[in-house]
Amino acid sequence: GAVVSQHPSWVICKSGTSVKIECRSLDFQATTMFWYRQFPKQSLMLMATSNEGSKATYEQGVEKDKFLINHASLTLSTLTVTSAHPEDSSFYICSVTKQGSYGYTFGSGTRLTVV
Amino acid sequence: AQSVTQLGSHVSVSEGALVLLRCNYSSSVPPYLFWYVQYPNQGLQLLLKYTSAATLVKGINGFEAEFKKSETSFHLTKPSAHMSDAAEYFCAVSGRVQGGSEKLVFGKGTKLTVNP
Repeated sequence: GAVVSQHPSWVICKSGTSVKIECRSLDFQATTMFWYRQFPKQSLMLMATSNEGSKATYEQGVEKDKFLINHASLTLSTLTVTSAHPEDSSFYICSVTKQGSYGYTFGSGTRLTVV
Repeated sequence: AQSVTQLGSHVSVSEGALVLLRCNYSSSVPPYLFWYVQYPNQGLQLLLKYTSAATLVKGINGFEAEFKKSETSFHLTKPSAHMSDAAEYFCAVSGRVQGGSEKLVFGKGTKLTVNP
């Protein structure tokens, strides 16, 4: 199966700074990547869907200017949390799939703590 | 549009007992259905998936699920629970589109506790 690397696993940042999270598909070309947010003891909430070379499609209620998503290549997508605030503290998970595939592979997640 | 309902946010079983985690789905198109397991502070691991082949799907770690269209259900079972099965389980659905699948929609999750 596909292998997805998400980095960093955890990060602590100061309020007002920006944090970048990387999601890499190591062994296949991911035409589509998804970014999820998960609050403690809750399910995954889809934030956005990104296709290589095009702008991400954000879910309703997700601030596109705050959560910048770049999908520059078929193997890399990044999520940048800009001007982070404590309420942005959460667990962020990426997922990848490719056209013609009927499966999704998830990264190991990033625990973001904003202090 | 797709949606998933997981019945029971918490399920507790004894070690060696049957595990049954319930999932009902709603989909406007033929669905793909998935079960994932999540351990604390980790990503999601695929247990099994239904993609229109056999309705009884066998997955990893002894888990299986049966797709029942008439009941719009995809319940997850394991004959004998092990302590290592304690985790959060998510049922998810996506719709089939030409050339692939849409985004996954997750249920709220079921926390499985296994008692010694």
